Amino acid sequence: SQQGEEDPQALSIQEGENATMNCSYKTSINNLQWYRQNSGRGLVHLILIRSNEREKHSGRLRVTLDTSKKSSSLLITASRAADTASYFCATDATSGSRLTFGEGTQLTVNP
Amino acid sequence: GAVVSQHPSWVICKSGTSVKIECRSLDFQATTMFWYRQFPKQSLMLMATSNEGSKATYEQGVEKDKFLINHASLTLSTLTVTSAHPEDSSFYICSARAGSATYEQYFGPGTRLTVT
Repeated sequence: SQQGEEDPQALSIQEGENATMNCSYKTSINNLQWYRQNSGRGLVHLILIRSNEREKHSGRLRVTLDTSKKSSSLLITASRAADTASYFCATDATSGSRLTFGEGTQLTVNP
Repeated sequence: GAVVSQHPSWVICKSGTSVKIECRSLDFQATTMFWYRQFPKQSLMLMATSNEGSKATYEQGVEKDKFLINHASLTLSTLTVTSAHPEDSSFYICSARAGSATYEQYFGPGTRLTVT
């Protein structure tokens, strides 16, 4: 079953703006990962944050994790039209175990 | 980086027939492979986990006699949808993991199955 909930379900912004997506989960986790999926394609791994980390950066991506609230956020700065995709968070209870995916956020970046 | 391929990328079949989807790890040995199903505008739902040389572990609600999974080698897993029905039409995605100690899963590009 899906334990992750993401909001918003859909987000439409203009190129250059920042996009923030949130993910909440129910059970304790080992890692939380964010993936991107272009329409009709497979998943691309973006970033992983461990349960003992609070923030992580990778290029234009910034991920935060609040284990007390069981939530994470993904910030994409200076968005581009090419960032248009669905974004999913995924958690695992122990390292290497099955991933549980959130419902996803459909991001549209308008040029 | 690690690459996972799927074949075919899309397939159309008639109701009642069986369809086989292949998932291959191209440049690493995958001790574990995962099969997911994704309906339009929805998230990925794990169907089963397969370890090389052993029987797959199916998620609750997934019929193992309908979705046959074979992981005969460290680079190949197959999913066979038997007696396909229109409601089996979906996007099937596999992922592969190199070892039990690693968190990283590498995803294939997916297979679009349409049952008419």
